Amino acid sequence: KAGVTQTPRYLIKTRGQQVTLSCSPISGHRSVSWYQQTPGQGLQFLFEYFSETQRNKGNFPGRFSGRQFSNSRSEMNVSTLELGDSALYLCASSSNGHEQYFGPGTRLTVT
Amino acid sequence: GQSLEQPSEVTAVEGAIVQINCTYQTSGFYGLSWYQQHDGGAPTFLSYNGLDGLEETGRFSSFLSRSDSYGYLLLQELQMKDSASYFCAVRDLGNQGGKLIFGQGTELSVKP
Repeated sequence: KAGVTQTPRYLIKTRGQQVTLSCSPISGHRSVSWYQQTPGQGLQFLFEYFSETQRNKGNFPGRFSGRQFSNSRSEMNVSTLELGDSALYLCASSSNGHEQYFGPGTRLTVT
Repeated sequence: GQSLEQPSEVTAVEGAIVQINCTYQTSGFYGLSWYQQHDGGAPTFLSYNGLDGLEETGRFSSFLSRSDSYGYLLLQELQMKDSASYFCAVRDLGNQGGKLIFGQGTELSVKP
C-alpha cells in the first residue's frame, strides 16, 4: 500500500497570509490526524478527523482549521499566519487509532 | 492535566541494551504507544501496549504498568541506526475518544 502523502513538502509564506496543506491517507484508513512539530514544543496535536467529522481538537487558536473529504483525504488551513506558526506539519492516518502512520510532513516557514 | 514525562536524552554504545522510561498523567487512559523519529524524517510507529505487560517486536520491547502509570521501551543489541528520537504517546480519553498526546521525546545517541 502507498503511504501517507502530504503536499506541499515545503512552503514559505509571509505573515498575515493563509495556507492550505493537504494529506492523503493510506487507502482504507478513515482516521486522519494533524500535528505541529517544533523544536521547543515537540509534537502537538491539532485535530483528528474520522469519516468527515472532527473527532478531537487540540489547544490551538481558531486560525487553525481542517476538514476531511468523503475519500478520507484531509486538508488543514491556517489563516492570518504568524511567525510562530513556522513548523513541520505532520499528518497521520490510522485504521485502529493505536497505530498512527505519518506522512513526510510539510515544512512551513513564515517570514 | 495531561502530561507525559520521558528523559530528554540517553547515550549508549553499540550492542548494548537501553531502556527509555515514560510516565504519564491523563484524565483517562487508552494505551501507550512508542514512535521513532530520525532527524529530518517522520515519526514511525514502533509498538502499542493496551494492557499491562511486555510486548516484544524483534529487538524492541515495550512494557506497560497501568497501576503505576508507567511504561518503557527497551532496545536490545543497539545499532548505530537506532540513533533517533523516541516518543511515547497516550490517547487521552476525552469527549469523543481522546486525542493523542506525545511526550517531548528522548534523543538516543548510539556510540561505536
